[in-house]
Formats: sequence, structure tokens, C-alpha cells
Amino acid sequence: DIQMTQSPSSLSASVGDTVTITCRASHSISRYLNWFQQKPGKAPKTLIYEASSLQSGVPSRFSGSGSGTDFTLTISSLQPEDFATYYCQQSYSTPGTFGPGTRVEVK
Amino acid sequence: EVQLLESGGGLVQPGGSLRLSCAVSGFTFTDYAFSWVRQTPGKEMEWVAGISGSGRNTYFADSAQGRFAISRDDSKHTVSLQMNSLRADDTAVYYCVKDRGWGFDYNFDLWGQGTLVTVSS
Repeated sequence: DIQMTQSPSSLSASVGDTVTITCRASHSISRYLNWFQQKPGKAPKTLIYEASSLQSGVPSRFSGSGSGTDFTLTISSLQPEDFATYYCQQSYSTPGTFGPGTRVEVK
Repeated sequence: EVQLLESGGGLVQPGGSLRLSCAVSGFTFTDYAFSWVRQTPGKEMEWVAGISGSGRNTYFADSAQGRFAISRDDSKHTVSLQMNSLRADDTAVYYCVKDRGWGFDYNFDLWGQGTLVTVSS
């Protein structure tokens, strides 16, 4: 199985900050990388698919980049509703595996 | 309204069985593959099972192979997960997830609200 890691595991930020989360795959996954947001007690929500495509309805302050083994999720001008946990997931090979998550907390 | 609504979770003893159901509405059911993804109490996310748009192809994680079965009813717009021989480490919130396309390829698009399964004596 392809192992997914994320860094940092948590971060503290303020409203208006730019936040960057990194996801790394144990093998090359081309651009088959998705990002999800999960708020406490809620279901995950898809933000980004195929590394950089924005899911319909997701604000443009969210962006994704990367290919191969290294990927980033960037949140520009962090908003109060963005404090949540973010997961990456590869869809390149079976089984599709998830990263452990990055928690974005209020500073 | 686009919606995936899970049901069937609950408390079950080790070795027992449970059937989860996912009622789908708001889009053309037969155009999409579906999965069940679970989230453990420690917040780890794990894909469990998937089914293609035709229903002819099913896929399972190693942890579910031989114990779980996934099916779909195109007339009722439901996806089901039959779970047998349940173990304590199956305890999790189970999410029904719509795939981005007809062929199953782990491209998770839309998530249900989840249903909690607790395996304990």
C-alpha cells in the first residue's frame, strides 16, 4: 500500500494568515491526490481533486499543487470557518489511502 | 437536494453482524460508483469497500475481505454494506461516499453524514 504522510500534524494560525499543509506519498502517485476538510462532528468535505482542481462550491482561497510524491494545500487569507482538520488521499493505486490529517487551530 | 443518508449503525457484540444502508438522492444513481470509508476513534480514515456503477464489480480492503459485502439496489437508490464477524477494531464511523464517476477509482466526491458502529461486549 502507498503510505501517505502529512506535515505538520497541527498548526496554529490567525484569521487572514496564509496556511500551507504538505502531503507526501511513499511512491509516485502522479497527480492522483485529493484533499478533504473535516470539522468536528461533521462529515469530510472534498476541497481539491487531482492535486489542483477545485471542487465545485469551494472558495478560491483553497488551492492545491504538486505531483509525484510531494503535494501542498494552501489556504490564502484564512477564514474563521477554515479551522478544521485536513486530510490528503491518493487515488493512484489500490487501496486508496489517506494521510493522518493536519489540524488547523486558532492561534 | 444532493444527499447520501446512512443508517443501520449501532452497538454489536464481537462476532456479530450489522447491515449499513445508504439512501441516495439528488443525482442519477446509476451513473456513479460508491464506497464505504470508515473513521476510527483515533480519527484515522480507511477505505473499506467499493462498488462500480454497474454493480458488477466490487472491491474490498484487506481488513474487510471475506467478512464484508457491498451491494447496490438501483431501483431503491441505495448502497448497502453487510458486515459479518465483526471485531473490536471495526469500531468506527462509517461514511457512504459517492465516487466522481461510473468506474470505481477512489476519487471520492460527496460524503454522507456517517453512521457509528461500535463493536463491544
